[in-house]
Amino acid sequence: DIQLTQSPSFLSASVGDRVTITCRASQGMGDYLAWYQQKPGEAPKLLIYAASTLQSGVPSRFSGSGSGTEFTLTISSLQPEDFATYYCQQLNTYPTFGPGTRVDFK
Amino acid sequence: QVQLQQSGPGLVKPSQTLSLTCAISGDSVSSNSAAWNWIRQSPSRGLEWLGRTYYRSKWYNDYAVSVKSRITINPDTSKNQFSLKLSSVTAADTAVYYCAGFWDYWGQGTLVTVSS
Repeated sequence: DIQLTQSPSFLSASVGDRVTITCRASQGMGDYLAWYQQKPGEAPKLLIYAASTLQSGVPSRFSGSGSGTEFTLTISSLQPEDFATYYCQQLNTYPTFGPGTRVDFK
Repeated sequence: QVQLQQSGPGLVKPSQTLSLTCAISGDSVSSNSAAWNWIRQSPSRGLEWLGRTYYRSKWYNDYAVSVKSRITINPDTSKNQFSLKLSSVTAADTAVYYCAGFWDYWGQGTLVTVSS
């Protein structure tokens, strides 16, 4: 299995901040990476697939980049509704998820 | 718009079989472009993909190595749904279980507790 790590595991930020989350894979996987947002009590919500393609309906302040073993999710200007936990997921082999990054109020 | 509706018991006894169903509306379980997945989430294991079923001229199943000896995922074309069966459960199988399709559509989640 491809293992994913995320950094940081916890992030404290304010509304309007630019936020960057990194996902690293244990082996190269092209662009077979997705990003999800999850709020308490809800299912994960797909934000980005194929590393950089924004899912329909997702605000443009979200963006993704990277390929191979290192990927980033960027929120250009954090909004109140963005405080949540973010997960990366690889789809190169049987799917696996990263451990998550919790974004909380500073 | 695809919607997934999960059903099944929230409490299962140790050593018994966990059974959940995911009813699909807005698409077909036999779609040639979809894969229908089961995922679970717990504080100790995070998000864990369990397996999937999909149709590409015939039916295929893939299962995670961690549960391969205990899991069965079956499509039910007559009811347009798919099911999860996980046998010989222990407390370690306590989790919120989700079904998902296209990775964009998720069920509401079912908390399954394994306890006597």
